[in-house]
Amino acid sequence: AQSVTQPDIHITVSEGASLELRCNYSYGATPYLFWYVQSPGQGLQLLLKYFSGDTLVQGIKGFEAEFKRSQSSFNLRKPSVHWSDAAEYFCAVGRGSQGNLIFGKGTKLSVKP
Amino acid sequence: NAGVTQTPKFRILKIGQSMTLQCTQDMNHNYMYWYRQDPGMGLKLIYYSVGAGITDKGEVPNGYNVSRSTTEDFPLRLELAAPSQTSVYFCASSYSSGGSYNEQFFGPGTRLTVL
Repeated sequence: AQSVTQPDIHITVSEGASLELRCNYSYGATPYLFWYVQSPGQGLQLLLKYFSGDTLVQGIKGFEAEFKRSQSSFNLRKPSVHWSDAAEYFCAVGRGSQGNLIFGKGTKLSVKP
Repeated sequence: NAGVTQTPKFRILKIGQSMTLQCTQDMNHNYMYWYRQDPGMGLKLIYYSVGAGITDKGEVPNGYNVSRSTTEDFPLRLELAAPSQTSVYFCASSYSSGGSYNEQFFGPGTRLTVL
């Protein structure tokens, strides 16, 4: 069965430091992979997605993610974190033929001055 | 273009009461979804719909019902509220065809407490 694991529940980084959020998936075929961000009290917003092709994908707000099939990973990165990036981040994998998504449990990002 | 709207934003129910969570989208999306989000658990799919008149169960459908009479609306019904249904509920929509995965657009959520 498909699953998504985000090993880090909570990460704190300093403003201006680099960021990497981990995501591992379990899926038999070529996965459709997503990263969403949720600001406090808000719904989810898509940061980026991977369907096929170039394994390094660029998203909004300066985020990027790299698909590594050999490691079953889709880690999210940002070179320099801003205080406004403090939020919860969810990795998701597409399941079935109905566009359904399986979400990881999320990683909460705190940014210290 | 309002996107996905949900009402109410907050609600407190007593055990055994019923209510309907409303969801409307104005993007002419064919797919719509209901999720619940519990602390530390991510989002779980409750029900989804691939078009008007067509609905199907997700991972956690027990205690809920849905209908889809129009493209725009996808209400979620709780018939006999239980404390286990205390959660934040998100509605989402997307345009999908041929099994493709397109972006899901999320509403702002409804925070429900059952006491």
